[in-house]
Formats: sequence, structure tokens, C-alpha cells
Amino acid sequence: AQSVTQLGSHVSVSEGALVLLRCNYSSSVPPYLFWYVQYPNQGLQLLLKYTSAATLVKGINGFEAEFKKSETSFHLTKPSAHMSDAAEYFCAVSEGQAGTALIFGKGTTLSVSS
Amino acid sequence: GAVVSQHPSRVICKSGTSVKIECRSLDFQATTMFWYRQFPKQSLMLMATSNEGSKATYEQGVEKDKFLINHASLTLSTLTVTSAHPEDSSFYICSARHQWRSYNEQFFGPGTRLTVL
Repeated sequence: AQSVTQLGSHVSVSEGALVLLRCNYSSSVPPYLFWYVQYPNQGLQLLLKYTSAATLVKGINGFEAEFKKSETSFHLTKPSAHMSDAAEYFCAVSEGQAGTALIFGKGTTLSVSS
Repeated sequence: GAVVSQHPSRVICKSGTSVKIECRSLDFQATTMFWYRQFPKQSLMLMATSNEGSKATYEQGVEKDKFLINHASLTLSTLTVTSAHPEDSSFYICSARHQWRSYNEQFFGPGTRLTVL
């Protein structure tokens, strides 16, 4: 069975600092991995996805993530945090079969201080 | 492209009434749509998978008679919460799988906030 673990329910950084949000997955087959961002009372917006091509994936808003099979990780990073990055971030995994739902981690709240 | 809408965005109803939530893919066809439920400060929990023209598949613990799902067309799925109670109050989010996109990419609606008094 698939699962996703997000380490740290809350991460706080200063504006301009490095952002690192951790995600580890479990899957019996090569996974597809996603990072989504959610602002208050809104739906989810896709930041980036890993689909078995390049292991370093670049997404929107300056975010990127690296797929490390040996570590079963897909951590999300951004070199310099902006105040507008404050939101809830979800890591999700899919086994890739068409029509299967995404399995979400519990989410990480990112706070950015000035 | 790949926009998903939900209607209504917010609904308040009395206990015992039924509420219908619509999920539409505006610029693409979606053979599969998913319904999630999200409690405050928590993750999304899959409720059911909705396939166009067939019965929905419900996750364990989700009452199919209480949460009626209909996916009558390639662009519309509806979730009806029947005889709603205060414990049904939650944020309901749908997602749609693009018919022609690979990698199981899904697009999410903006969510519907249901409050049952």
C-alpha cells in the first residue's frame, strides 16, 4: 500500500531563507509524486510533479524537488522564501495507474516571517 | 487550461436537509473524478472515486447512502450529502483526472465549505 509521510507539521523560516519541506513515500511500484500548495479556504494548486523522467523537478514559484529512490524521498525546496509562500503544503503519491486517487501526506504549514 | 469549478463555494444548511455539490471540469473531459473531505488543519481524505457512466467506488468507512455521487457526463460529477448532520460539516474538494493527460495528473476544484447547523 502506498503512503506518504511529511516530517514536520509546521515549518517556520525568515523571508529570504531556504525553505525545506520533507516528504517520504512508500510504494510497491515506481511512483508518481506531487507537491500541492493550499491557501486558506481554497483548493489545491499543483507546484510540481515527478513522473519518472528527470529526478530534479522544477515547479512554479521557484520551488523544486528531488526524487531520491534510495531514500524514498521527494523533499521540496526553495532557495529564498517569500512572504507569499506562507501556506499549507501537501505531498502526494500515485502508483500511476490511470484513475487511481492520490494519497496525501498530512501536510506542512509553512510560516514566513519578515 | 484544466480548470475545475465547484458550486456552491459555501453552503449553510439545517440538520436533516440534503445538499448537492457540483464539480465541473470547464475545459477538458474527465472520465474520473475524485471526492475528498478535509477537516480543519488536516489532510485530504479520499471519500470516493467517480467514473463517468458507472457507480462510484467508495472508500472504507464512507456511507454510500449518505454521500450520493453521480457522474453523468464527462464534465460533471455531483456529491449529495443526504440528511446532513453537524458532523458532516467539512470542506469538500473534488478533483478531475484529465482524459488525455498521462501521469495520473489531477486538477482540483476550489472546494465547498459545508456547515450544518
